[in-house]
Amino acid sequence: AQSVAQPEDQVNVAEGNPLTVKCTYSVSGNPYLFWYVQYPNRGLQFLLKYITGDNLVKGSYGFEAEFNKSQTSFHLKKPSALVSDSALYFCAVRDNRGNNDMRFGAGTRLTVKP
Amino acid sequence: KAGVTQTPRYLIKTRGQQVTLSCSPISGHRSVSWYQQTPGQGLQFLFEYFSETQRNKGNFPGRFSGRQFSNSRSEMNVSTLELGDSALYLCASSLGAGFSYNEQFFGPGTRLTVL
Repeated sequence: AQSVAQPEDQVNVAEGNPLTVKCTYSVSGNPYLFWYVQYPNRGLQFLLKYITGDNLVKGSYGFEAEFNKSQTSFHLKKPSALVSDSALYFCAVRDNRGNNDMRFGAGTRLTVKP
Repeated sequence: KAGVTQTPRYLIKTRGQQVTLSCSPISGHRSVSWYQQTPGQGLQFLFEYFSETQRNKGNFPGRFSGRQFSNSRSEMNVSTLELGDSALYLCASSLGAGFSYNEQFFGPGTRLTVL
């Protein structure tokens, strides 16, 4: 079965600095990978996804993620963090083999300080 | 296009009662998934429906059930409520299901409190 891990519960960065939120995954086949963001008392919002092709995926709000097959990772990045980026970030994976559900990581709380 | 809507937004029930939550997907989306979100367990998959058929089911007891109607709207039911069922229940819709690479669009959730 597919699974995903977010090794950091919390990430703190200063505004203007680059940020990275880490994600590693495990699947039997090839992965479909997703990043979502959740603001307080809201549902999740889709940021970006990797299906196939270019390992660097660009998404909403200036976020990007790099797919690394050898390290089974899909880290979320942004060159310059904003205070408004402070939120809960979830990585998710779906195995491209067979009929299966989407699995979410435990989430990483990003805090960007002015 | 209207987003995913969930009703009600907030519910307070007592132990032993049952509850039904409703989800209306984005127009044209045929897949609906349900998740339970709690501070301790994070996002846990409940079930996924596609074209009125349950395609996947998470590891939850039989007290949790769901269904999908021909217009893709979905309901989930929790019977004999327990204190531990207090959570944010999120519904998500997408174009496909199972092996699909389509992203999911989430509703705002229903906050269930069991007293």
